[in-house]
Amino acid sequence: QKEVEQNSGPLSVPEGAIASLNCTYSDRGSQSFFWYRQYSGKSPELIMSIYSNGDKEDGRFTAQLNKASQYVSLLIRDSQPSDSATYLCAVRTSGTYKYIFGTGTRLKVLA
Amino acid sequence: DAGVIQSPRHEVTEMGQEVTLRCKPISGHDYLFWYRQTMMRGLELLIYFNNNVPIDDSGMPEDRFSAKMPNASFSTLKIQPSEPRDSAVYFCASSFTGYGTDTQYFGPGTRLTVL
Repeated sequence: QKEVEQNSGPLSVPEGAIASLNCTYSDRGSQSFFWYRQYSGKSPELIMSIYSNGDKEDGRFTAQLNKASQYVSLLIRDSQPSDSATYLCAVRTSGTYKYIFGTGTRLKVLA
Repeated sequence: DAGVIQSPRHEVTEMGQEVTLRCKPISGHDYLFWYRQTMMRGLELLIYFNNNVPIDDSGMPEDRFSAKMPNASFSTLKIQPSEPRDSAVYFCASSFTGYGTDTQYFGPGTRLTVL
């Protein structure tokens, strides 16, 4: 079973701090990696996609990918209470367009 | 574009009844996905289509579930007969794989309650 693992949290950080969310995956051939944010009662919305090793920055968000360690992370700088949500890591399995989602990490940003 | 459209948004039914969930993907997208989300199991892929053809239905829980995509702008997920354990939020998502992208866009979901 190809899996994506996340710590369920909750991860609590004070407003203005950096939130660090982590994800590991088991399919070494995976090529596409995504972070989605899901507010309670809403659908997942894409935050970041990353395809190559290294860092990818978009505003306050930075995705980091390390294929050798099978590890993806998301950093949120200057965390805001509006960032409080569940963050889902998703991986596209090798040779398919099948996506495996982690169970998500609940982030709470404390004002 | 209006995004992925799902209907109904909420469905309450009794055990044994047939349930049909509907999805209209984003125009031009070539992949369509059906997911189920529960607190216990998270977001699970049920089935996905490429250009209206089912590619992988290994996530469909059992024969009570069926999905069709008669054309590029419409898909259905049917449960017959429904059971209380089918209660969940069902999401449809679509993606376009041209230009090296493969981002999925989710619909608002259908919250299904089977009594």
